[in-house]
Amino acid sequence: GENVEQHPSTLSVQEGDSAVIKCTYSDSASNYFPWYKQELGKRPQLIIDIRSNVGEKKDQRIAVTLNKTAKHFSLHITETQPEDSAVYFCAAIASSGNTPLVFGKGTRLSVIA
Amino acid sequence: GAVVSQHPSWVICKSGTSVKIECRSLDFQATTMFWYRQFPKQSLMLMATSNEGSKATYEQGVEKDKFLINHASLTLSTLTVTSAHPEDSSFYICSAHGQATDTQYFGPGTRLTVL
Repeated sequence: GENVEQHPSTLSVQEGDSAVIKCTYSDSASNYFPWYKQELGKRPQLIIDIRSNVGEKKDQRIAVTLNKTAKHFSLHITETQPEDSAVYFCAAIASSGNTPLVFGKGTRLSVIA
Repeated sequence: GAVVSQHPSWVICKSGTSVKIECRSLDFQATTMFWYRQFPKQSLMLMATSNEGSKATYEQGVEKDKFLINHASLTLSTLTVTSAHPEDSSFYICSAHGQATDTQYFGPGTRLTVL
């Protein structure tokens, strides 16, 4: 089955700097890669996603890149703000309608003002 | 966007009792729902896949007789934790997979505390 590795487990950045979180996956059949942000005690919120037919996607300060050959995908947050502090999870899925997301272990991002 | 509700949001119970958690898709039909458990400072761990009208598929290590799942309609799945023990205390989150989308939408979660 699918296995998703996520690094780093914790990340501290100064406000205004960029943050990068990286994930690798094992199943070449995976073709959908969402990123979730989870604040303490709350549900994961989808912040951006990418499909395997696209190499990069951007939404304001957030971007995701995908390298299918290397089975890597990354989350990039620019101009970080204190409210970006949260736990971020990557996930992968072989889109078939009935398969669950496989999550990475999460990255705790702290943005220091 | 799709909305998934979960009830209750938190519950405290005595050891040995059973607790039922409901997960509803409010504005779309969910053919498949997933139940996750999340311990403090850990990732979401899939417990089971719930398909409408059929038996749930449990992940390895999850006791199907302890965690009863029912998905009787396209908008409702329930998870019953039977004979709960303190080690079952956790954050339980459901997600619903719509019929026409890859995206999974999460419920707000239920924090279970077993005394």
